Amino acid sequence: AQSVTQLDSHVSVSEGTPVLLRCNYSSSYSPSLFWYVQHPNKGLQLLLKYTSAATLVKGINGFEAEFKKSETSFHLTKPSAHMSDAAEYFCVVSGTSYDKVIFGPGTSLSVIP
Amino acid sequence: DADVTQTPRNRITKTGKRIMLECSQTKGHDRMYWYRQDPGLGLRLIYYSFDVKDINKGEISDGYSVSRQAQAKFSLSLESAIPNQTALYFCATSLSGESGKQYFGPGTRLTVT
Repeated sequence: AQSVTQLDSHVSVSEGTPVLLRCNYSSSYSPSLFWYVQHPNKGLQLLLKYTSAATLVKGINGFEAEFKKSETSFHLTKPSAHMSDAAEYFCVVSGTSYDKVIFGPGTSLSVIP
Repeated sequence: DADVTQTPRNRITKTGKRIMLECSQTKGHDRMYWYRQDPGLGLRLIYYSFDVKDINKGEISDGYSVSRQAQAKFSLSLESAIPNQTALYFCATSLSGESGKQYFGPGTRLTVT
């Protein structure tokens, strides 16, 4: 069985400071992992994905995530937050082919000027 | 033009009414999905379709039905709407073998009074 946990429902950072959004997963086999972003009144957009290549994955808008198998984590980071980063972020795990794409509950990121 | 479109974008309806939400895509993807989003619950899968003749229930299909009229069109129906179906509904598409990498429409905000 697969599951995903996002450890914080809300994160608030000051503009220019680092962002850390935490995600832990559970999977009985090697998963594919994704981060999506949802800006207000918009659909979800893929930020980045991990599919068993490099453990450090770079995405759009300066975001990156590191896959740590020993910790079953896939945390999303960005060195310096911008106001435009304020959005809802979803961690997603999937297995082979279709097979159950599981969305986390989301983390709302606020960026304070 | 957007790759995945949804109509209507907003809809208010009364309890007991039948309502249809439509989704169209120009990405040429074979797989299409319907999700609902509720605050704090992330996205939950209602139905998914691997191709025109392959439709599957998701985790919360009760009270909903779907129709895949063509590869590019996937409609969601609420036969008799109830207030707890008030939510944000998203359509998404993907290629087969890349189900975690989904492309989302802008969403339909449905209110059932």
